[in-house]
Amino acid sequence: DQQVKQNSPSLSVQEGRISILNCDYTNSMFDYFLWYKKYPAEGPTFLISISSIKDKNEDGRFTVFLNKSAKHLSLHIVPSQPGDSAVYFCAASDGGSNYKLTFGKGTLLTVNP
Amino acid sequence: NAGVTQTPKFRILKIGQSMTLQCTQDMNHNYMYWYRQDPGMGLKLIYYSVGAGITDKGEVPNGYNVSRSTTEDFPLRLELAAPSQTSVYFCASNQGPPGNTIYFGEGSWLTVV
Repeated sequence: DQQVKQNSPSLSVQEGRISILNCDYTNSMFDYFLWYKKYPAEGPTFLISISSIKDKNEDGRFTVFLNKSAKHLSLHIVPSQPGDSAVYFCAASDGGSNYKLTFGKGTLLTVNP
Repeated sequence: NAGVTQTPKFRILKIGQSMTLQCTQDMNHNYMYWYRQDPGMGLKLIYYSVGAGITDKGEVPNGYNVSRSTTEDFPLRLELAAPSQTSVYFCASNQGPPGNTIYFGEGSWLTVV
């Protein structure tokens, strides 16, 4: 049973527009959420995170929103750039699990020039 | 900055052979992890370690073994390779406090034929 779900396998956006990537989770024990970006033939790289005590975290063009009651988080990229084209993984952890991450299946974002 | 280094990058194994994937990190991180990623899937945790001499099973440990004799190294051993172990393997590490960013290696592509 998937505890972290990314229901959109792919997303295509025009350069300069907003990209919104969504993630849902089922485990109410998760208290920390992260987004990772992955290019082909490379390891995932950390993008942005949010603690469950917050509902928003912003870092430059990237903003993550957390809605705990809906068990939903989203990553907003504004403005989107062609270099943002990659697979984005949503991940979650709970502090009692030795900080292990549970990953979603990923969403392939394509930003068209 | 070396970060997390994995070797080999690519390997083809025959069914029943054994091999070790090497992983070393130079960030003095206490926590280390091995994940595998199958096509179209998220990363699944194989084994993890919270410090030298301490290891524990993750979500998909069958067919694998690990050891952690030093802080820096966390090798993953495949015994009696099977086609189901064809995957991309990622080693990762972090310092451990809740929410601390996990850093990934570049991955090891393993094919069992």
